[in-house]
Amino acid sequence: NAGVTQTPKFQVLKTGQSMTLQCAQDMNHNSMYWYRQDPGMGLRLIYYSASEGTTDKGEVPNGYNVSRLNKREFSLRLESAAPSQTSVYFCASRTGQGVGETQYFGPGTRLLVL
Amino acid sequence: GQQVMQIPQYQHVQEGEDFTTYCNSSTTLSNIQWYKQRPGGHPVFLIQLVKSGEVKKQKRLTFQFGEAKKNSSLHITATQTTDVGTYFCAGETGGYQKVTFGIGTKLQVIP
Repeated sequence: NAGVTQTPKFQVLKTGQSMTLQCAQDMNHNSMYWYRQDPGMGLRLIYYSASEGTTDKGEVPNGYNVSRLNKREFSLRLESAAPSQTSVYFCASRTGQGVGETQYFGPGTRLLVL
Repeated sequence: GQQVMQIPQYQHVQEGEDFTTYCNSSTTLSNIQWYKQRPGGHPVFLIQLVKSGEVKKQKRLTFQFGEAKKNSSLHITATQTTDVGTYFCAGETGGYQKVTFGIGTKLQVIP
């Protein structure tokens, strides 16, 4: 099992450009998450999908959209990138069958917006 | 919304010294999880606490959940250089399928 995979690993964008961050998990998990990590800010939830076909906003959703393409895949889209979106983005998943389940994180995407 | 405060934000210790990080939630939690992130890596699950007053140990690591289920701590005895990284607590309430992470404590161990 690959676990949670993310592409790309690194990306440099110019202000105003768009891009999609891809995430896939092979653990048959129901719930998937997108976080951003900034120095001194910890991990902040952008969007999550409790199950296939549903998505909900997290703490910092502005400037992002998500798509739960199927049970395996959960993508994060930046429509018009801004320097404030420079960050490390982590995707995570868990079984989604109850509370208190371990989240499994992907390796992260490091994004720089110039 | 739910807030999880974590202190300290940074800690430098001499190898062999003990280390403790504390988490405090604004609301009662159903459970709390702890994660470790090595420099340049991603968060990795360490442990979960569910019961009021629960204490769990993993070798030199001791985890506690407060009686009111609003606070938690992670204590490392006799730190080693392999303990370097950032430790996050993550609190969950109810069954909403989302957790709130603390800001993390970055541990540096001086050999």
